[in-house]
Amino acid sequence: EAGVTQFPSHSVIEKGQTVTLRCDPISGHDNLYWYRRVMGKEIKFLLHFVKESKQDESGMPNNRFLAERTGGTYSTLKVQPAELEDSGVYFCASSQGHTSGSYEQYFGPGTRLTVT
Amino acid sequence: QKEVEQDPGPLSVPEGAIVSLNCTYSNSAFQYFMWYRQYSRKGPELLMYTYSSGNKEDGRFTAQVDKSSKYISLFIRDSQPSDSATYLCAMSPPAAGNKLTFGGGTRVLVKP
Repeated sequence: EAGVTQFPSHSVIEKGQTVTLRCDPISGHDNLYWYRRVMGKEIKFLLHFVKESKQDESGMPNNRFLAERTGGTYSTLKVQPAELEDSGVYFCASSQGHTSGSYEQYFGPGTRLTVT
Repeated sequence: QKEVEQDPGPLSVPEGAIVSLNCTYSNSAFQYFMWYRQYSRKGPELLMYTYSSGNKEDGRFTAQVDKSSKYISLFIRDSQPSDSATYLCAMSPPAAGNKLTFGGGTRVLVKP
């Protein structure tokens, strides 16, 4: 079974540009999460989807960040316009949820975003 | 003050030794406790998942939760050089599918 995949693995953009990160969860997982780790800090929660609905977006830093999960499958996280402080590693995680009662979160390899 | 505190290390041990890792937390609402292993430039890999207090064993790994002290531990027996990685604790409240709060991670180095 394929794990959580993320694309791209690394992105370097200039301040003011737009970047879109993609996450493909484990097949059949209803729950999808985005997290971020900035340099020297712990991994922090950004938001949580249940299928295509945003369940919790309390961790989104500001309105420059837009997450979508059309059709309840893959998700995208767009940063527009990017700022220097957005640099970090963005992780996606998924879990099965209500259908199985399993909420263990499995993480993807992350996208390393560098804003210059 | 951070919700979850974890010594960053590095923790260096000889091959075959027991690795002892721990985290303390301040939020008494946390009920689910996890340990992840992360190799350099990779994503966190789930090692142990426990609910509430008690012990859980899986192969060379033992996780302990002491909710009264707000303290969790991970023990790795018969450590191998391949265990060299950063170990992250994470926890969440009881609501289903809730977000994880992470510690900063402890870097472990197992020397052959």
